[in-house]
Amino acid sequence: GENVEQHPSTLSVQEGDSAVIKCTYSDSASNYFPWYKQELGKRPQLIIDIRSNVGEKKDQRIAVTLNKTAKHFSLHITETQPEDSAVYFCAFNQFYFGTGTSLTVIP
Amino acid sequence: DTEVTQTPKHLVMGMTNKKSLKCEQHMGHRAMYWYKQKAKKPPELMFVYSYEKLSINESVPSRFSPECPNSSLLNLHLHALQPEDSALYLCASSRPGQGGGYTFGSGTRLTVV
Repeated sequence: GENVEQHPSTLSVQEGDSAVIKCTYSDSASNYFPWYKQELGKRPQLIIDIRSNVGEKKDQRIAVTLNKTAKHFSLHITETQPEDSAVYFCAFNQFYFGTGTSLTVIP
Repeated sequence: DTEVTQTPKHLVMGMTNKKSLKCEQHMGHRAMYWYKQKAKKPPELMFVYSYEKLSINESVPSRFSPECPNSSLLNLHLHALQPEDSALYLCASSRPGQGGGYTFGSGTRLTVV
């Protein structure tokens, strides 16, 4: 598979704080960068995505930014809530998933 | 219909058994996928079907045999599995190419004994 590095692997934040997760890729060919949320025991669900012709996309409390020059894209969650606690995966080149970030939001 | 349906939800099979996992979607997606997910790990790509043709096989052992009978159905036939094949098997669908994100099924939790 393709090489995607995702950091951090675990992240704990206080409720109301922001969380940022970053993925770095090696192949410039991809033009689609999705993020998935997987709650414990459930299926991954697409939460936001971005295409290479756009630098940033927002949907309420979540946003994704893309830096094609530096080959990284990031997920930003603001005003975190306990229900944001889950594992978050970036995906690259359509098929390949990052290693995951376990986010815990502490009430 | 915006769902991907997988059956069965749970499966326990012996190493000499033959079983099949089934996946169905009615979203008009022409790309379908099988992923394997171990605990605390990301989904790992196994097979990609695009317009009902196998386009990617990620060097999966032949004891796993995919089949795409039509644009709505995807099967994974299992034979002579090993205990290390125990995992959550996820089916997903999407528009083909880099056209959009996946809709995942809820998975089949497979245990090989």
